[in-house]
Amino acid sequence: DVKVTQSSRYLVKRTGEKVFLECVQDMDHENMFWYRQDPGLGLRLIYFSYDVKMKEKGDIPEGYSVSREKKERFSLILESASTNQTSMYLCASSPTYPEGTQYFGPGTRLLVL
Amino acid sequence: QKEVEQDPGPLSVPEGAIVSLNCTYSNSAFQYFMWYRQYSRKGPELLMYTYSSGNKEDGRFTAQVDKSSKYISLFIRDSQPSDSATYLCAMIGIVGSNYKLTFGKGTLLTVNP
Repeated sequence: DVKVTQSSRYLVKRTGEKVFLECVQDMDHENMFWYRQDPGLGLRLIYFSYDVKMKEKGDIPEGYSVSREKKERFSLILESASTNQTSMYLCASSPTYPEGTQYFGPGTRLLVL
Repeated sequence: QKEVEQDPGPLSVPEGAIVSLNCTYSNSAFQYFMWYRQYSRKGPELLMYTYSSGNKEDGRFTAQVDKSSKYISLFIRDSQPSDSATYLCAMIGIVGSNYKLTFGKGTLLTVNP
């Protein structure tokens, strides 16, 4: 079974802090994704990566950056956390994009105070 | 008009009921259609994947696609409390100049014992 793990289930950070969210997949997938999920807004794509060191902006990249140094690991970075970044963050991986099944991690619920 | 419209619910039904979940879309370029299920505090997981117009059945679940009406549905027969979850439709096709995956906002379903 494909497994996608996220480093934290819950995080509380202060405004202005630098925040790292990490995601690891064990199925050698080329593609990895970061979404945020908010009530009434659904899933929104922040960034995705189609190969090591390659990335593309999604629909809402502002305030975020990403890093993919190894195939299995995809990190989301909030350079200076703000309260409007309080959200559920979901990582996913997929063997192909966009047709491939997306395998999601359990999510990280981030609260920025 | 939004690309993908999905009634957010919440939808509450008694155990054993037939459930109908629906999405409409405006982009005739959408080619692939999926339903993801997301349990509380978990990431979404793929439930059904269809390509052509018509019905696809998997156990108690039937996915229906009507491309002429730009309408997809997920039917759940003999619904169970374990079906209580948020159901997200997803579609793949050309949006603007990109070939991409687009999610609906999700419908929260509760099946009451």
